Amino acid sequence: GAVVSQHPSRVICKSGTSVKIECRSLDFQATTMFWYRQFPKKSLMLMATSNEGSKATYEQGVEKDKFLINHASLTLSTLTVTSAHPEDSSFYICSVGTGAYNEQFFGPGTRLTVL
Amino acid sequence: LAKTTQPISMDSYEGQEVNITCSHNNIATNDYITWYQQFPSQGPRFIIQGYKTKVTNEVASLFIPADRKSSTLSLPRVSLSDTAVYYCLVGDLDTGRRALTFGSGTRLQVQP
Repeated sequence: GAVVSQHPSRVICKSGTSVKIECRSLDFQATTMFWYRQFPKKSLMLMATSNEGSKATYEQGVEKDKFLINHASLTLSTLTVTSAHPEDSSFYICSVGTGAYNEQFFGPGTRLTVL
Repeated sequence: LAKTTQPISMDSYEGQEVNITCSHNNIATNDYITWYQQFPSQGPRFIIQGYKTKVTNEVASLFIPADRKSSTLSLPRVSLSDTAVYYCLVGDLDTGRRALTFGSGTRLQVQP
């Protein structure tokens, strides 16, 4: 299966700053990647679908100007949390769908803490 | 995508077999059933997938009755390291290209 990495694994930032999270597909060229957010003891919630070379598709209620997604290559998608606030503190996870039925491969996640 | 219902939590002891059942009454003809495992502060990990009858791999078994309205993930002889949240998902063949919809999952706690 696909190997997916994320960087950083955890980040702490001050309120009002921007944070960039990278998601890399190490051994699979991914035209599509997905970004999820997970609050403590809750399930994963899809934020957006990242499409290589085109605009991301955001889920209802997710502000596209706040969560900027760039998928410039087949192996890299980035999520930038702009003007972060404490309520943006969460666990952010990306995934790669290889097209094999409904099997996806997830990154290890990034823990964001906004002070 | 079909909605799934799982128990919120389960407790077990080391060495026991654990069976987690998932209900998916509205499963469609083309839907497959997939189970993921998630440890704290990690991304979900694919465990097993099936369409009907029984599927077994080195980690688990998946039992699917003829009507496919439910499925049971069976973990043989669990250990402490099997403590995790287990998610049941259903989706069609092309779902790999689309985002997955996660339900609440089942939190399994394995005691020594």
